[in-house]
Amino acid sequence: EVQLVESGGGLVQPGGSLRLSCAASGFSFSDHYMDWVRLAPGKGLEWVGRSRNKANSYTTEYAASVKGRFSISRDDSKNSLYLQMNSLKTDDTAVYYCSRADFSGGIPYSFYWGQGTLVTVSS
Amino acid sequence: DIQLTQSPSFLSASVGDRVTITCRASQGISSYLAWYQQKPGKAPKLLIYAAFTLQSGVPSRFSGSGSGTEFTLTISSLQPEDFATYYCQQLNSYPLTFGPGTKVDIK
Repeated sequence: EVQLVESGGGLVQPGGSLRLSCAASGFSFSDHYMDWVRLAPGKGLEWVGRSRNKANSYTTEYAASVKGRFSISRDDSKNSLYLQMNSLKTDDTAVYYCSRADFSGGIPYSFYWGQGTLVTVSS
Repeated sequence: DIQLTQSPSFLSASVGDRVTITCRASQGISSYLAWYQQKPGKAPKLLIYAAFTLQSGVPSRFSGSGSGTEFTLTISSLQPEDFATYYCQQLNSYPLTFGPGTKVDIK
């Protein structure tokens, strides 16, 4: 059974840093693209970024709103995905979800999702 | 960046109603579109991918259509468990983007 469990959320001051983790199980982690998506209070879903799989050298993509501040990494030996968040702003307050993408017709879609972890940026 | 708009942003409907949500892209995205359902406090759930392919386990009352710049999600007969917010997402190019969402509420 595919399981994704996020952790690491909490309260952080503006300008601070936080690292989120996503523990994956039930599948071959290195074979899959993985995404981070967030849901801010009263807002809609926002794609944060993507880590491609081992076959694609773990390259990454980011939303403009987080580029240069957030970075995605992974440790295949621990079956874990990470989101390092620096220079946090109040606008980054959200529930952060990780998802596993599966390919259909050459395009990776997010089929599986974790339950999310809440990040609150406030002084 | 590709912008997605959804209409309506909110709709009030009754059990048994046929509901249609439209998603429009600012440029052509072929069929690289997904639809998600999200309920409060829960993770998004993939309903439709590649514009019209029903995800395994999703009831057949859900259907998707469209290509290029205009897409629709249809619920043929709304059930109590379908009251939720629905999002489209384009996967044609980076950055990936979501539509602003359509909240389906009970009339």
